[in-house]
Amino acid sequence: DQQVKQNSPSLSVQEGRISILNCDYTNSMFDYFLWYKKYPAEGPTFLISISSIKDKNEDGRFTVFLNKSAKHLSLHIVPSQPGDSAVYFCAASARTDKLIFGTGTRLQVFP
Amino acid sequence: DGGITQSPKYLFRKEGQNVTLSCEQNLNHDAMYWYRQDPGQGLRLIYYSQIVNDFQKGDIAEGYSVSREKKESFPLTVTSAQKNPTAFYLCASSFSSYNSPLHFGNGTRLTVT
Repeated sequence: DQQVKQNSPSLSVQEGRISILNCDYTNSMFDYFLWYKKYPAEGPTFLISISSIKDKNEDGRFTVFLNKSAKHLSLHIVPSQPGDSAVYFCAASARTDKLIFGTGTRLQVFP
Repeated sequence: DGGITQSPKYLFRKEGQNVTLSCEQNLNHDAMYWYRQDPGQGLRLIYYSQIVNDFQKGDIAEGYSVSREKKESFPLTVTSAQKNPTAFYLCASSFSSYNSPLHFGNGTRLTVT
């Protein structure tokens, strides 16, 4: 049973526009959420996180939104740049428990 | 520079052979993890260790073994019992405190023929 779901395997966005990556979860005990970015043949790098006491966290061009009632989080990238082209994983954990990853969304930013 | 080093980057083995993947970190992290990535399946946890000389099975531990004799090192052995060993293996580490993000190495691609 996939507790963290990224239903869009891929997304294509024009440079300068907004990229919105979505993630849904089923476990209401999750209280910490993260986004990772991964280039081919490299390890994921941590992007941004949010705890369940917040509904928004911002870091430069990256903003994560959390909707606890809908069990949904999203990552907004504004403006999108070609270097943002990568696979993005969302992940979630309940306190003291292990991190559960989604299946990833491949973002392509074209000129 | 602090980081996590996985070696080798590419590894080829014949079916039936055990193989050990190396993972070393100099971030002074307490916890270390092994994940496996397969196409369309995200990252799946194999084993993790919160402290030296202790480790726990993750979601897909069958056919794998680990050791944690030093804080800096967490090698993974892929045994001949692992039915589908060909994959991209990722090692990660973190502080043990809650909400500490994982830092990943650059992975080892294992191909077994």
